Amino acid sequence: NAGVTQTPKFRVLKTGQSMTLLCAQDMNHEYMYWYRQDPGMGLRLIHYSVGEGTTAKGEVPDGYNVSRLKKQNFLLGLESAAPSQTSVYFCASSYLTGRFDTEAFFGQGTRLTVV
Amino acid sequence: AQKVTQAQTEISVVEKEDVTLDCVYETRDTTYYLFWYKQPPSGELVFLIRRNSFDEQNEISGRYSWNFQKSTSSFNFTITASQVVDSAVYFCALSEGDGGATNKLIFGTGTLLAVQP
Repeated sequence: NAGVTQTPKFRVLKTGQSMTLLCAQDMNHEYMYWYRQDPGMGLRLIHYSVGEGTTAKGEVPDGYNVSRLKKQNFLLGLESAAPSQTSVYFCASSYLTGRFDTEAFFGQGTRLTVV
Repeated sequence: AQKVTQAQTEISVVEKEDVTLDCVYETRDTTYYLFWYKQPPSGELVFLIRRNSFDEQNEISGRYSWNFQKSTSSFNFTITASQVVDSAVYFCALSEGDGGATNKLIFGTGTLLAVQP
């Protein structure tokens, strides 16, 4: 009953360092998403994927890269971390039934601090 | 442009009071979906409800009820007889474009609900 699992849960980076956040889902969902949550701004979509091997930009993609080499995993990379990327990152996944939308299942979040 | 507005930043009530959280949205899509999520102090996002644009029926689930009105572009959420465990940030969200083919969500800024004992 794992659902959506994010690794790590917490991380502190120095400016300029790189890191990768891992999201894994065991629900066989086609779609996966990365959001960031900042105080007073709600959640904003960074990148998303509609299937293995495909990715697309969301509202705030700059400074991030993603990869979806396996259906169950969606990686978010920061090549050169900046203090502006201090945030809580949420991964989500969802499936599609016909043309109807379904709810997204969210991971527990990763709290990233860039100093 | 699509947008979700939650004008109430913080609401404080005493236990057993009823409370309504407001959500107003903007979209040019004719097919879209609206959602409410709850984020308790532990930080996870808990799905509460999904409603599509063709279904304006109000819904009640236990102490929760939702009022969807396309005429005013609103999707308000009411908690009846609030409890301390209802204390959380509540987010309203709108599916972005493509007729709801994906779950690209546009979130409101959230309403922090504090229920005092």
